[in-house]
Amino acid sequence: KAGVTQTPRYLIKTRGQQVTLSCSPISGHRSVSWYQQTPGQGLQFLFEYFSETQRNKGNFPGRFSGRQFSNSRSEMNVSTLELGDSALYLCASSLVGHRDDTQYFGPGTRLTVL
Amino acid sequence: GENVEQHPSTLSVQEGDSAVIKCTYSDSASNYFPWYKQELGKRPQLIIDIRSNVGEKKDQRIAVTLNKTAKHFSLHITETQPEDSAVYFCAASNSEGGSQGNLIFGKGTKLSVKP
Repeated sequence: KAGVTQTPRYLIKTRGQQVTLSCSPISGHRSVSWYQQTPGQGLQFLFEYFSETQRNKGNFPGRFSGRQFSNSRSEMNVSTLELGDSALYLCASSLVGHRDDTQYFGPGTRLTVL
Repeated sequence: GENVEQHPSTLSVQEGDSAVIKCTYSDSASNYFPWYKQELGKRPQLIIDIRSNVGEKKDQRIAVTLNKTAKHFSLHITETQPEDSAVYFCAASNSEGGSQGNLIFGKGTKLSVKP
């Protein structure tokens, strides 16, 4: 099976802009979670989607949003970008998103905000 | 909510030695504890995981132990090799989401294996 894929792999934006990142889960996986990875804060949970519904959300401002499509592909959007949003954004897929489901990560999107 | 502490933050060993990384968690309801290895510029890769109904799990040179009473779990790598050099993250499932879960990660341990 193909692994989790993310596009684009790299993005450079300026403050105030918005950005959309895409994640395609492993075939058959219906849950997609998003994480932000920074050197200072490590890996932090953003949100989780299952059957096109957000079921779980981390402690991030409303500028961070997401959605999931009927084929389980997911997108996340960050509006009004700030310098501190520069990070590696990782998505992970699992079968149904139970809390003991194994999560498999994509390669990430490296976002740089100037 | 769940909090995961990971130690040490850096670890340097000689090739062939063992390496041990320890994590503690705060939520007694957490029931799933994976370990990920992340090489520079690459995605986190699951190397081993353990669920709360077992105390130990082994896969070749890698083992994980879980002490639910003390709320800590450890990664053991034996006969380390230079290709084991990477950042290792522990994680614990967060029960606040109910049956759905997200992972709470430790800050990572940078392991260097010297030839």
